Amino acid sequence: LAKTTQPISMDSYEGQEVNITCSHNNIATNDYITWYQQFPSQGPRFIIQGYKTKVTNEVASLFIPADRKSSTLSLPRVSLSDTAVYYCLVGSSGGSYIPTFGRGTSLIVHP
Amino acid sequence: SAVISQKPSRDICQRGTSLTIQCQVDSQVTMMFWYRQQPGQSLTLIATANQGSEATYESGFVIDKFPISRPNLTFSTLTVSNMSPEDSSIYLCSGLTGNLYEAFFGQGTRLTVV
Repeated sequence: LAKTTQPISMDSYEGQEVNITCSHNNIATNDYITWYQQFPSQGPRFIIQGYKTKVTNEVASLFIPADRKSSTLSLPRVSLSDTAVYYCLVGSSGGSYIPTFGRGTSLIVHP
Repeated sequence: SAVISQKPSRDICQRGTSLTIQCQVDSQVTMMFWYRQQPGQSLTLIATANQGSEATYESGFVIDKFPISRPNLTFSTLTVSNMSPEDSSIYLCSGLTGNLYEAFFGQGTRLTVV
């Protein structure tokens, strides 16, 4: 199971773009990268997943370099409501996929 | 997508007693999981709930302490047995659906043992 490393915390201001990088040096060939968001007193919520290059949805973008040893979650023009903990997960569905959470990054957006 | 409902949302229990947490999914899920989350900490996987068979427990968690049932594809229970204050935590139920990497989570059960 590939271990992930993220910054423990980040601060930003409303309207700015936030980039959270996750390191996963031991990622396996079949592993996908998934990001979750968790607000206080709620369960985590799936944001985005990717295998390589760039993926974009209505919430965020995910950038994955060619070596796949890291990934960057990009949140455009954050608002106060984006204050949350963001988790990077790496795993493969080969056999069965079990979401395993690392420490996560606590993002605080200031007015 | 899937909506996961957990009951109870919170409880305060006496040490030595047991609490059963229910998890209901509004659609079929391929896999179901139970996690524990201490305040300010990440999620720790307790076990994978297997339909019609014994759950698969992670290191540090045992069936006698955390018996789990999953009688069908949409329902599971987690029992926290013989509770002590150290069991005070948030317990979360999760399920995987068609997108193999998109897990859905319940709101969690906040347990306080006194």
